[in-house]
Amino acid sequence: QKEVEQDPGPLSVPEGAIVSLNCTYSNSAFQYFMWYRQYSRKGPELLMYTYSSGNKEDGRFTAQVDKSSKYISLFIRDSQPSDSATYLCAKGGGGNKLTFGTGTQLKVEL
Amino acid sequence: NAGVMQNPRHLVRRRGQEARLRCSPMKGHSHVYWYRQLPEEGLKFMVYLQKENIIDESGMPKERFSAEFPKEGPSILRIQQVVRGDSAAYFCASSPPAATSTDTQYFGPGTRLTVL
Repeated sequence: QKEVEQDPGPLSVPEGAIVSLNCTYSNSAFQYFMWYRQYSRKGPELLMYTYSSGNKEDGRFTAQVDKSSKYISLFIRDSQPSDSATYLCAKGGGGNKLTFGTGTQLKVEL
Repeated sequence: NAGVMQNPRHLVRRRGQEARLRCSPMKGHSHVYWYRQLPEEGLKFMVYLQKENIIDESGMPKERFSAEFPKEGPSILRIQQVVRGDSAAYFCASSPPAATSTDTQYFGPGTRLTVL
């Protein structure tokens, strides 16, 4: 079993839709969580970062963490074609290294 | 306000040659991390370095791979005697000097290595 599981997609939604991206993890040692966005052939770009259970909001993005069920989510409101990318969830807490999911490919269509 | 810089962006090597990948961290950052991304796979941690020290190399293959972060100059990931399975995107990330396990890491654009 992978430490971080993420549905690879692809996920295709119409412009303006609410997008829900999800990850599960198996190691309780993970203490903090991040979402990165990666455009094709580019480096990952940090979107959201959170320590604790609950919600964290930043503009159109909301990160949600449920430590009891080891489940994290990223919600994108009013999705735009420019949101089309691969979204990577990452976990930290085992030293300084991050453990990534495989990424979910999102396409927002006009 | 330059971010993490990596060069070259693309590198082509024949089997058996050496590959050298360079990473300059963000200004003010002294912690460097290397990750590898294989096709259809997520980013995998390789090594974590501070200036002149390797802190965690638990993700590095035992042979042919080495990394350094000298007092002056960029961090270098070196792959000797490359094989086709080394073809991947290699990303460098950096974090601030007082980095703890909770500090965020900022990534460079990556070096795409192709082994012929």
